[in-house]
Amino acid sequence: EAGVAQSPRYKIIEKRQSVAFWCNPISGHATLYWYQQILGQGPKLLIQFQNNGVVDDSQLPKDRFSAERLKGVDSTLKIQPAKLEDSAVYLCASSSILVGGTGESGYTFGSGTRLTVV
Amino acid sequence: GENVEQHPSTLSVQEGDSAVIKCTYSDSASNYFPWYKQELGKRPQLIIDIRSNVGEKKDQRIAVTLNKTAKHFSLHITETQPEDSAVYFCAASIRGNKLVFGAGTILRVKS
Repeated sequence: EAGVAQSPRYKIIEKRQSVAFWCNPISGHATLYWYQQILGQGPKLLIQFQNNGVVDDSQLPKDRFSAERLKGVDSTLKIQPAKLEDSAVYLCASSSILVGGTGESGYTFGSGTRLTVV
Repeated sequence: GENVEQHPSTLSVQEGDSAVIKCTYSDSASNYFPWYKQELGKRPQLIIDIRSNVGEKKDQRIAVTLNKTAKHFSLHITETQPEDSAVYFCAASIRGNKLVFGAGTILRVKS
């Protein structure tokens, strides 16, 4: 099966600029996640979608970050305006398990977008 | 909130030796515990996972053990090889089919 597709692979922007990342999950996967991975740390969940609805965005800095999954398939994550501390790898993952399931899921991660804010 | 602690942060072993990475979790409702391997510049890849109704699982040179009472689980790699060098992340499921990740362990296998 095709994997989780993400683009772009790399992005360098100046602080206060805006940026958008795109993710296309594995076909048929209802659940999509965006994670932020700062260098030297584990991935941190930003937002979780179930189909086209938001399940959990409690860790998303909503003053500058936004995400959508309008048709329940691909998703975009936007940062506006960017700060230096937003420099990280942004990972998209998808899962076929429905929310409220048994908690078992082999997430499949995309290759990520490495963002550098200068 | 829920968190996962992972130790050690770095681990160096000689080729052929065993490596053990340990994690503890805080949410007693966690019931799924995957381990991911991440090579430099690449995506995290699932290498093994264990569910709460099992105490141990093995896949060739890799094994994972789970102690639900103590809320800790461990990754064991035997007969390490240079290609095992990578960053390893443990994770634990929390409500709503989400994963909380540990901070990672840099494993270096010296040949």
